Amino acid sequence: EPEVTQTPSHQVTQMGQEVILRCVPISNHLYFYWYRQILGQKVEFLVSFYNNEISEKSEIFDDQFSVERPDGSNFTLKIRSTKLEDSAMYFCASGSTRQINEKLFFGSGTQLSVL
Amino acid sequence: DQQVKQNSPSLSVQEGRISILNCDYTNSMFDYFLWYKKYPAEGPTFLISISSIKDKNEDGRFTVFLNKSAKHLSLHIVPSQPGDSAVYFCAASATNTGNQFYFGTGTSLTVIP
Repeated sequence: EPEVTQTPSHQVTQMGQEVILRCVPISNHLYFYWYRQILGQKVEFLVSFYNNEISEKSEIFDDQFSVERPDGSNFTLKIRSTKLEDSAMYFCASGSTRQINEKLFFGSGTQLSVL
Repeated sequence: DQQVKQNSPSLSVQEGRISILNCDYTNSMFDYFLWYKKYPAEGPTFLISISSIKDKNEDGRFTVFLNKSAKHLSLHIVPSQPGDSAVYFCAASATNTGNQFYFGTGTSLTVIP
C-alpha cells in the first residue's frame, strides 16, 4: 500500500534555530497537510496546501511557519525560529481529493524536541 | 477550544469482549466523523468513518454509532483482540472546513489476552 514518508523521525534543535521537516506524500495525491501533537494533547491542524498554495491554516501557523513543495514530490514544513513550545510530533498527511468523505493518509511523524 | 472530546484517556478490555470508545463534540456543523488508530512510533491510520446522514456504520468487527442530538459517537470493537491495543482518535469535520479535521485527545485501548 502506498504510504506517506517523513524524515527525520527525530529532530533535536536549540531554541531559536530553524528546522525543516520533510515529507513525501503519496504520489498521486494533490492535497497536503501538516498536523502536530504535543505530548498528551490532541492532534491539531496546522495547514493545508493545494495547487502550490496554502488553502487553510490554523492560528498555530503563524509567521514563523512556512510550507513549500519545492520539487513536485517533497512537501516541507519550516519553522524559522523554534520555541520551546514547538516541541511536538509533527504529522504530514495527504489526500487525493478534497471530498468531505476523503480519508487522510498520515506519515509516521517527526518528533521535534526544542531545547 | 476542544471541539472534539474523548473523556476516557485509557480503557482495558479482556480479549473477546466488546470495547466501546466514546467521543463527544460541540460543533453542530460537524457532519463527518472518522476514527483513526495509532500504534506507537507510527502515524494515525484510518479505521472507519460515518457521515451525519447515517447513525451507524459497520466494517467487520468495527461499528461506529452516531447520535446527532446528543453530539456523541462511539466505536464498538467486537470481539476485541490483542492487536487492537492502540490509541484511538476520534476526528470530526464540517463541509465548510474541507479536510481540516478536529481531533480528540485519544483513548488508549489495551486488550488483555
